[in-house]
Amino acid sequence: QVQLVQSGADVKKPGASVKVSCKAAGYTFINHYMHWVRQAPGQGLEWMGMINPSGGSITYAQSFQGRVTMTRDTSTSTVYMDLSSLKSEDTAFYYCARDGPPGTGIDYWGQGTLITVSS
Amino acid sequence: SVVTQPPSASGTPGQRVTISCSGSSSNIGSHTVNWYQQLPGTAPTLLMYGSNQRPSGVPDRFSGSKSGTSASLAISGLQSEDEADYYCGVWDDSLNGVVFGGGTQLTVL
Repeated sequence: QVQLVQSGADVKKPGASVKVSCKAAGYTFINHYMHWVRQAPGQGLEWMGMINPSGGSITYAQSFQGRVTMTRDTSTSTVYMDLSSLKSEDTAFYYCARDGPPGTGIDYWGQGTLITVSS
Repeated sequence: SVVTQPPSASGTPGQRVTISCSGSSSNIGSHTVNWYQQLPGTAPTLLMYGSNQRPSGVPDRFSGSKSGTSASLAISGLQSEDEADYYCGVWDDSLNGVVFGGGTQLTVL
């Protein structure tokens, strides 16, 4: 079965960077795009961008351009999301989410990683 | 949000509840819609894809539809375990990315 296992919670100071990992299992890693979505406490879902694990092409949401970097390691079936210049407003759960077969959209989600930004 | 949902909805056990999702020609008008259910303290899960297709394991009490630039999720025979947040999600051509509705908190009275 499809599993997306993310790294653990972290606390960062304003201005720092954070890197969240997402290890995929149960399917052919390079066949499915991976999205990153975040959710601030008590708020809705916000799409951050997506990466093609096969060719490495990336699309970032405009609001995160210049601050987010998504990468992948095909040898370990892992994708990474790096967010820099952290602010308190970046405190949120960060989810990786698989793009399913054509026409399906996002079909599986990781368990989420809580990133807290606090001085 | 580019795509709008009512912030809350409610119903009593056994009732039918509908949640709407309104967008534009660049998103719902051009692409199919997904619905996600998020139970308290958990990650979202796929509830509906392709506007009206249920993944295996999703009860047929849940149904979806789309017309023009709007979509809706209907839940019939409402149960207490349906109390959750529901989000619609769709690709947007103008933004070149996925957009989510603001979410609807469903309360079972």
